Amino acid sequence: EVELVDSGGGSVQPGGSLRLSCAASGFTFSSYWMMWVRQAPGKGLVWISTINHDGSTTTYADSVKGRFTISRDNADNTLFLQMNSLTVEDTAVYYCGREVYSQPDYWGQGTLVTVSS
Amino acid sequence: SALTQPPSASGSLGQSVTISCTGTSSDVGTYNYVSWYQQHPGKAPKLMIYEVTKRPSGVPDRFSGSKSGNTASLTVSGLQTDDEADYYCSAYAGGNTGMFGGGTKLTVL
Repeated sequence: EVELVDSGGGSVQPGGSLRLSCAASGFTFSSYWMMWVRQAPGKGLVWISTINHDGSTTTYADSVKGRFTISRDNADNTLFLQMNSLTVEDTAVYYCGREVYSQPDYWGQGTLVTVSS
Repeated sequence: SALTQPPSASGSLGQSVTISCTGTSSDVGTYNYVSWYQQHPGKAPKLMIYEVTKRPSGVPDRFSGSKSGNTASLTVSGLQTDDEADYYCSAYAGGNTGMFGGGTKLTVL
């Protein structure tokens, strides 16, 4: 059974950093592209980043480019999102997703990031 | 949002409702890779339809998808109280970026 478990969220002050993790199981992690999607409180889903199967190709939404870094450890079946220079606009639930044709077919349960002074 | 959905939709118990998702000739109009997700409050989204018309195992056949031109649609038949949720579409545009519709809140009357 495919399972994605998001972790690493929390409260941080503006300008701070957080590193999110997504532990994958139940499928061959190294064969799949992966993505991060976020959802601000009361708002819709927004794609923020994608990484290919071996980590050699990454793409970002303009809103996070230069501040966030997506990466993966295929030996440990884990996806990461390093978030730097956080602003209040980054407050959201962050979901990892297994990606097929740029769309998630499985989702993590989400982890809440709150940026506030 | 790059994909346009109506903000709300409603239908009576047992009736049918259709939610639209309008893209462009560069995404919905070209590729047969449109997905639909159901999200209940406080929960992660769940895949309901993929590749325009296909249902993952376990999704009731009351949920169906279609596409015409640049617009994809999700139809929920035989509405049940548990169908009340937010629904999002997503589409492939040929590159490495994702996109979602703004979401539609479905109310079951």
